[in-house]
Amino acid sequence: ETGVTQSPTHLIKTRGQQVTLRCSSQSGHNTVSWYQQALGQGPQFIFQYYREEENGRGNFPPRFSGLQFPNYSSELNVNALELDDSALYLCAGTSGRAGDEQYFGPGTRLTVT
Amino acid sequence: GENVEQHPSTLSVQEGDSAVIKCTYSDSASNYFPWYKQELGKRPQLIIDIRSNVGEKKDQRIAVTLNKTAKHFSLHITETQPEDSAVYFCAASKGGGSTLGRLYFGRGTQLTVWP
Repeated sequence: ETGVTQSPTHLIKTRGQQVTLRCSSQSGHNTVSWYQQALGQGPQFIFQYYREEENGRGNFPPRFSGLQFPNYSSELNVNALELDDSALYLCAGTSGRAGDEQYFGPGTRLTVT
Repeated sequence: GENVEQHPSTLSVQEGDSAVIKCTYSDSASNYFPWYKQELGKRPQLIIDIRSNVGEKKDQRIAVTLNKTAKHFSLHITETQPEDSAVYFCAASKGGGSTLGRLYFGRGTQLTVWP
């Protein structure tokens, strides 16, 4: 549909653990953004990567980190998980050339117990 | 940073009626305003967007209006159908250049269309 895929679909972790979420975007999506969507809320901007470098960050602590790779895939890493990290994590790709349109992946549902 | 307010939080309409969702934004530098539809358990889907150089945009049964002076924009859905039932999010972005892609979302509107 959008050319953006995410894995895994669901994940359960224990407080204090670390997690890595993955996103694969179609060719041409040189910008990837990550969002956290808590239940009943709108997505909140975590950070953005452009050409493999972090290009802006929202109001999230340093234990949220990321990587972007040359093949248009990216990762979101969260260390020292807290209960409040339970949410749907969305990545979105945009090529920039077509404008600002962002296309979301299906998301990863993270539950921290 | 940008602050986007969205109203109402819930909206129920009869099939065939119109639905209107309103959003305000705080940063006058914002210039791109997309609307997303999110069905339960699914990804947000872009349904329409508008840029600050345009006052209105229409796509079949949906339309968006933008008032830059008042810093508010609205989504209008006409002839609603049960399949329009979903959560709708407005968002704002400065767009372009180094800030490309940083969307600030409203809290969402749960639209229910009764047959």
